[in-house]
Amino acid sequence: AQTVTQSQPEMSVQEAETVTLSCTYDTSESDYYLFWYKQPPSRQMILVIRQEAYKQQNATENRFSVNFQKAAKSFSLKISDSQLGDAAMYFCAYRSRDDKIIFGKGTRLHILP
Amino acid sequence: EADIYQTPRYLVIGTGKKITLECSQTMGHDKMYWYQQDPGMELHLIHYSYGVNSTEKGDLSSESTVSRIRTEHFPLTLESARPSHTSQYLCASSEYLAGDHTGELFFGEGSRLTVL
Repeated sequence: AQTVTQSQPEMSVQEAETVTLSCTYDTSESDYYLFWYKQPPSRQMILVIRQEAYKQQNATENRFSVNFQKAAKSFSLKISDSQLGDAAMYFCAYRSRDDKIIFGKGTRLHILP
Repeated sequence: EADIYQTPRYLVIGTGKKITLECSQTMGHDKMYWYQQDPGMELHLIHYSYGVNSTEKGDLSSESTVSRIRTEHFPLTLESARPSHTSQYLCASSEYLAGDHTGELFFGEGSRLTVL
């Protein structure tokens, strides 16, 4: 069975600095998708970025980028130029071939002004 | 902004009451989900549906039930609420294309249930 592990329950970063959130996963599949979702306090969870396992190029979305290491089964999220609006819970998620979606336990990110 | 709506946003009720949490989406998505999430904690899948008349139980055992009579509507019902049901319930939807796992989940704002 697939698992997703986020080893950092909480992190803090100074505004305008860069922070990296870690995510590792375990799977025997070769074709899958990985996602980072953001859940702001009392607001809807939204997709931040997604990565297709068969693509070696790391996905980027403006200030958000991933470091995808398929062999190491690692999928970290880097947030550059952190802003106060980035404060949220961040969930790493794996979508399997049989369409099962598995979430990590989340990392709470604090932005220090 | 995602077109998926949950009502009520907040509900405080007494033990033994029957409650229904509503979830509607206007995106025409076939697949819908219910997750249970304690504040600031991980998500647990409790129900999902592939389309009309399809309902499946998720990974976390739940005393709730769901129905899917219309594509856009996926209500969750608790026949007799207990304090152990106190939690936040998140509804989500996604496109479902066989063999295609790229679809992101669109989430509602959640229904926070407190059972006294």
